[in-house]
Amino acid sequence: QVHLVESGGVMVQPGESLGLSCAASGFTFSSFAMHWVRQAPGKGLEWVAYLHYDGNLKLYSDSVKGRFTISRDNSKNTLYLQMNSLTAADTAVYYCVKDDYFTLDIWGQGTMVTVSS
Amino acid sequence: DVVMTQSPLSLPVTLGQPASVSCRSSQSLVHSDGNTHLSWFQQRPGQSPRRLLYRVSDRDSGVPDRFSGSASGTDFTLKISRVEAEDVGVYYCMQATHWPWTFGQGTKVEIK
Repeated sequence: QVHLVESGGVMVQPGESLGLSCAASGFTFSSFAMHWVRQAPGKGLEWVAYLHYDGNLKLYSDSVKGRFTISRDNSKNTLYLQMNSLTAADTAVYYCVKDDYFTLDIWGQGTMVTVSS
Repeated sequence: DVVMTQSPLSLPVTLGQPASVSCRSSQSLVHSDGNTHLSWFQQRPGQSPRRLLYRVSDRDSGVPDRFSGSASGTDFTLKISRVEAEDVGVYYCMQATHWPWTFGQGTKVEIK
């Protein structure tokens, strides 16, 4: 069964950095692009970042470009999101999501990131 | 960026009755591959989103056939033929034809 499990969400102060991880299982991780999508408390869904299956293409939303870095380790079936210069606007549940050719099919349970002083 | 506009934002429905959610894109979603990459997601209270439909009307495995999708130009519709209690939640449309991929604001479906 396809499974995505995010971890690393905590409370941090504005300006700090944080790294998220997503452990994948049940499918050939190295063959699929992956995404991060976030959801601020009580709000809708926002696409954050995309990473091609081989790591050679990375795309970001304007709201995180230059501050966030998406990466992967196909040998460990793990997706990462490094977040720097965090602000209150980055407070959200962060979902790791599997790509399915111009759509998103499998979502993780999400990990909560809170940025507050 | 492509703006996805959903309506209504709140939809009270009666059990057993049909329901319809609309989603309008600010530009054509027809991709150079010939497909229209518009998906629908359901997010039940306290859960992660779950995909219902992709490429406008292709239904995911396990999704009841009471859910259907259609398109007319830049207008897209999710229809529930007979609403059941388990259908309560927020429904989002998403376009994946143009980067960045964008979501609609969400439509909250609740039982009257």
